[in-house]
Amino acid sequence: KAGVTQTPRYLIKTRGQQVTLSCSPISGHRSVSWYQQTPGQGLQFLFEYFSETQRNKGNFPGRFSGRQFSNSRSEMNVSTLELGDSALYLCASSPGRGQAVFGYTFGSGTRLTVV
Amino acid sequence: GESVGLHLPTLSVQEGDNSIINCAYSNSASDYFIWYKQESGKGPQFIIDIRSNMDKRQGQRVTVLLNKTVKHLSLQIAATQPGDSAVYFCAENEGGGADGLTFGKGTHLIIQP
Repeated sequence: KAGVTQTPRYLIKTRGQQVTLSCSPISGHRSVSWYQQTPGQGLQFLFEYFSETQRNKGNFPGRFSGRQFSNSRSEMNVSTLELGDSALYLCASSPGRGQAVFGYTFGSGTRLTVV
Repeated sequence: GESVGLHLPTLSVQEGDNSIINCAYSNSASDYFIWYKQESGKGPQFIIDIRSNMDKRQGQRVTVLLNKTVKHLSLQIAATQPGDSAVYFCAENEGGGADGLTFGKGTHLIIQP
C-alpha cells in the first residue's frame, strides 16, 4: 500500500511569508501528527489531528497551525516565517484508534528553507 | 561487538560486528518506547518498540533493552550490515499519545568495511 506522502519535498520561502505543507496519510489511517526536525532541537512534536479535530499540540507558537480534512489529509501552515523555521517537517500517520503514537508511519518530509 | 556509554553522536563499527546504541530518557512516567532509523533524505522508519511492562524485546537482528530503574534504553543490532548505516533515534511516550513522541538525540551509526 502507498506510504505517507508529503508535498512539496523542498520549499524555499522568504522571511515574513507564509507556507502550507501537505500530508496524505496511509489509506485507512485517521490520525496525522506533525513534527519539526532541526539539527539543534532534533525532532519536536507540533500537533496531532484525528477526525478533523486537533487532539494535541506541542510547544510551538501560534504561527504554526494545521487542519485535517474529511479524507484524513492534513495541512500545516506557518505564518510570518522566521529564519529559525528552516527545518525538515515530518508527517506521521497512524490508525488512530486509541493511541495516536501506536503504528506511526512517517513520510519523507518537506524541507523548508527560509531566506 | 562494541558497547558504548550514554549517547554518542557517532558510533563506528566493523561490518559483521554487533552494535549497541544507548539512550537515556527523562520522563519516569513514560510507558512506551520506540527505536527509529533515519536514512539520509527519508523520514524515521520504525525498528522496534517496547512497553514499560517489559525489559527486553527481540526482533529480526535487533533487541531492545529497557532499564526503568535508571531510565535507560538500548538497541542492539546483531551482525551489522552496510544497510544499517543511518541515524538512530529513541523515542518515548506517556499515556499513548497526548504529547506525541519525545525523541532523543540521534546516534549516527557508521559501518566500516
